[in-house]
Amino acid sequence: KQEVTQIPAALSVPEGENLVLNCSFTDSAIYNLQWFRQDPGKGLTSLLLIQSSQREQTSGRLNASLDKSSGRSTLYIAASQPGDSATYLCAVRVQGAGGSYIPTFGRGTSLIVHP
Amino acid sequence: DTGVSQNPRHKITKRGQNVTFRCDPISEHNRLYWYRQTLGQGPEFLTYFQNEAQLEKSRLLSDRFSAERPKGSFSTLEIQRTEQGDSAMYLCASSLFTGDVEKLFFGSGTQLSVL
Repeated sequence: KQEVTQIPAALSVPEGENLVLNCSFTDSAIYNLQWFRQDPGKGLTSLLLIQSSQREQTSGRLNASLDKSSGRSTLYIAASQPGDSATYLCAVRVQGAGGSYIPTFGRGTSLIVHP
Repeated sequence: DTGVSQNPRHKITKRGQNVTFRCDPISEHNRLYWYRQTLGQGPEFLTYFQNEAQLEKSRLLSDRFSAERPKGSFSTLEIQRTEQGDSAMYLCASSLFTGDVEKLFFGSGTQLSVL
């Protein structure tokens, strides 16, 4: 069974710092990996999607990389801002019992950026 | 594109009652997923549909849970004889699956409290 682990579980930093959030998975036979942001009590907002054939994706201050061989993805946030405060979740699409590829989530990293 | 819509946003019920949630996906999306999320955890997969066909169900989906997607449009998730352990955020996501890139879009969720 695919296990998705996110480290650290929580992070508190001053504004302006560059951050690295980690996502690791146990089965390298993934279809894709998607990073999400979740504000308290809200649904998930998609940030970046990396296909299994890709190495990285970038959007604004965000960069996500994927290394299937080591079972890792990192989300890099440049010049963090208080508005970046949220929980960041990664979802790895893996093959389920029925043969379909099902997005499996980690527990997330709770980020607080202080002004 | 009006996004994924979930109703109601909040539901408070007494133990033993039945509840039903509705999800309206993005109009052209052919796949629809249901997840459950408890505090401090990542979303857990419950079930998904491709058009009107329910293709996979998690072991988490006990016989008290049933989901439908008539005509491949909106979906409903019903919980019968609710228990306090059913208290959670129920999230719906949709996607356009073409055999290539598949990106999930989430709704705002339905927060269920069972008293």
